[in-house]
Amino acid sequence: ETGVTQTPRHLVMGMTNKKSLKCEQHLGHNAMYWYKQSAKKPLELMFVYSLEERVENNSVPSRFSPECPNSSHLFLHLHTLQPEDSALYLCASSQGRAGGPDTQYFGPGTRLTVL
Amino acid sequence: RKEVEQDPGPFNVPEGATVAFNCTYSNSASQSFFWYRQDCRKEPKLLMSVYSSGNEDGRFTAQLNRASQYISLLIRDSKLSDSATYLCVVNMFAGGFKTIFGAGTRLFVKA
Repeated sequence: ETGVTQTPRHLVMGMTNKKSLKCEQHLGHNAMYWYKQSAKKPLELMFVYSLEERVENNSVPSRFSPECPNSSHLFLHLHTLQPEDSALYLCASSQGRAGGPDTQYFGPGTRLTVL
Repeated sequence: RKEVEQDPGPFNVPEGATVAFNCTYSNSASQSFFWYRQDCRKEPKLLMSVYSSGNEDGRFTAQLNRASQYISLLIRDSKLSDSATYLCVVNMFAGGFKTIFGAGTRLFVKA
């Protein structure tokens, strides 16, 4: 299944590094999302973009910076992360407006480790 | 109180058993409801949407009770391949868009 792709699949970075996560959806969807999944915790919604406009930012620290250049691509820029930011970062997309009844389709995730 | 709460797991059942999961939500502005399945170290995948009238897909039946603010998932004739974590998901628009995932219920189906 290649509806939503994410790169890289695994990333190890130091606290002073800058890196970016990339997500691409091939489904013609209008909304895209970033989630964080830590061990033994529920998925946490980080950012939502609807038609390339950010519509939600759930109090995420500024060391995470999203970018949505078009409706098919979503980036998460990482800078000066902390070890507690180590988690699985999942991208998702949905057909209609964010928050509507449409199913979200997830990418395989990027497993991030911050040393 | 958590916005979305699920049955604590894990559930350990034999093949062929029927198992039911419940999920409660606290916000009456909740609009749409889903069950997702997540296999170990994989991404969540939609199992089924949940409608007020209830819906069935093969061995899986989902129900929504808006009055009591809970949704349920029933799995009949469990298979080994049903072993996974089942996530309850609620979408709401209350002063902003929110998607809330439950913590998940782990199911182990054994031979």
